[in-house]
This record gives sequence, C-alpha cells and structure tokens, in this order.
Amino acid sequence: DSGVTQTPKHLITATGQRVTLRCSPRSGDLSVYWYQQSLDQGLQFLIQYYNGEERAKGNILERFSAQQFPDLHSELNLSSLELGDSALYFCASRSQGSGELFFGEGSRLTVL
Amino acid sequence: EDQVTQSPEALRLQEGESSSLNCSYTVSGLRGLFWYRQDPGKGPEFLFTLYSAGEEKEKERLKATLTKKESFLHITAPKPEDSATYLCAVQVPVIKAAGNKLTFGGGTRVLVKP
Repeated sequence: DSGVTQTPKHLITATGQRVTLRCSPRSGDLSVYWYQQSLDQGLQFLIQYYNGEERAKGNILERFSAQQFPDLHSELNLSSLELGDSALYFCASRSQGSGELFFGEGSRLTVL
Repeated sequence: EDQVTQSPEALRLQEGESSSLNCSYTVSGLRGLFWYRQDPGKGPEFLFTLYSAGEEKEKERLKATLTKKESFLHITAPKPEDSATYLCAVQVPVIKAAGNKLTFGGGTRVLVKP
C-alpha cells in the first residue's frame, strides 16, 4: 500500500459526459501528480500541483482540468469525454525527503 | 525534447536465467533516474533512484546502474514473481513555476517462466 488513495477505482460513462477523479496524497506529501496510462501511450504526465498551486503541466487536454484543495487532496476533471479518453488515470504524491513518486492504484475510466 | 527509451519491449526468461533491461535517455538537466515495477492493473511501485553516473543500487535480485546516457536494470536468477513491467523514468526540472516531473519510458514487459 503506497498510502495514496484514488477514487473511484472503476468508472464507465458515455461520450460527451463529465467525470471527476479524486486523489488523497500520502500524509505529509505536498505534491500531487496526475498521469494517464493507455495501452498505446504508456504513462503520460498531465499536471503537477504543490501545496495548492499548479507547478508543471504536461500534455493535458483543454477538456481536462485539475485542482488541489487546502487539505491537499486533488481532483482531476475530465469533460466532453471521447472514446480515446478511456485509460487508467494515476495520481502520485512526491516524497519531500527522497523525491520519489508514490502512485495510487489508479482509476480505470471506460468511455462508451 | 526529453526522451526516454526502454529496450527490449518484452522479455521472456526461464526461471534462473539472468538478463538486463536498458533505459536510454536524452534530457537536459537530469535530477534523478527512477526504476519502477508495475503489475497489470496496478500502480507503479518504486524500486530505485539513481542520481549520478557510476551509482549502483541493489534490492534482492535486482540491481540498477547508471551511466551518463543510460541505465540498466539487471535481474539475477529471476523467479516467476519477478514477472511485471519495469518502467524507468527521468526527473527533469520545469524551470517555469519551479515544477518538476517524471518522464517515463515505454517499459519492458518481463515474463519469467518456471
């Protein structure tokens, strides 16, 4: 158990819909990262937050947005969903001391 | 653009047959190279961090090494439970807004047969 909690574990929805994925980082970690993993793309960096502020952005679509709240949990919002958005979405928190990322178990999104 | 390439894409080994996985990278300002193990449908699990050329880390049957252009993950006398996808990632700074990110390679799928 990495200590990073993601909900929901599975989500099935239709094209055009909007979903919210939630992540609670490990106790004491201030940074949260979101990654997308699809079969043909591998792990793709989406966005990083540190203590509530956006710090780094990857290839995140304009239809996607994220935020980190004062209690440090983070949400990833995906809207106007397309079939190609079906993937595993991982959240990770970064150890303050050693710097490595600890990943949650992921949220599997299926868009039908 | 930062690039991380892993080879081979897949590796089938007999139990006890040692082998090495390669991770080559082209980045500006490497801050660390990370190895992760990922089981199907699970999140990546941290294995090692390497920071400078010449550094080596070991854990059970796994040993990671780093040069200026690549890293190797050596699996010695593997067992079936070592079957997984092994991912390497490089940490690079994002100067604007003082962020940083891990850029992952495509992974090597390892299958160890008894």
